[in-house]
Amino acid sequence: QSALTQPASVSGSPGQSITISCTGSSSDVGGYNSVSWYQHHPGKAPKLMIYDVTKRPSGVSNRFSGSKSDNTASLTISGLQAEDEADYCCCSYAGSSTYVIFGGGTKLTVL
Amino acid sequence: QVQLVESGGGVVQPGRSLRLSCAASGFAFSNYGMHWVRQAPGKGLEWVAVVSHDGTNKYYSDSVKGRFTISRDNSKNTLNLQMHSLRSEDSAAYYCAKDLFGYGAGFYMDVWGKGTTVTVSS
Repeated sequence: QSALTQPASVSGSPGQSITISCTGSSSDVGGYNSVSWYQHHPGKAPKLMIYDVTKRPSGVSNRFSGSKSDNTASLTISGLQAEDEADYCCCSYAGSSTYVIFGGGTKLTVL
Repeated sequence: QVQLVESGGGVVQPGRSLRLSCAASGFAFSNYGMHWVRQAPGKGLEWVAVVSHDGTNKYYSDSVKGRFTISRDNSKNTLNLQMHSLRSEDSAAYYCAKDLFGYGAGFYMDVWGKGTTVTVSS
């Protein structure tokens, strides 16, 4: 199964909001409310930012929010800060055969 | 604190085998499913495999099914990935990760190690 589709890059200025999309199919994103998002700074361990489409783990800023419509999930970061500059990757449960599938990743640049 | 430390990476020839390990500490290892995720140079994250908290359920990506085996030793708080018939496309940083929710084999990874690098090259 192919990776979920994300834009290669997005950018925004400090204080602005950006949205990263993650498009799959009815077999993954559209079929389950089991989408998660990870923040990955190069050379560091990835960090879980969103799970169950919209939920934030303890300690994650409320500037990060998730949503889903049909086969597309989205991550919105409001009030952009310099430290938000990182790669962001979506992930979805895809049934017991494929199990888990990641997106290709999106590089966020804070201008 | 909760910590995962991978080891066992290195340079290996195509067709050979390699075994990765992940030492867990700071949490009740036997209560959580555990994953392996990899990232090839310049590529995104790719999920590899998951094992349930008790080792009874295992799931694999199509790209490694039949070649890789995930296992765990709850008495030693250790997760393993045995890799056979390695290919150049298996070259990547390999991360072990803890599942967010206890018991079973989940699909959210809330704690990650720093990774160990595998290079498959002749």
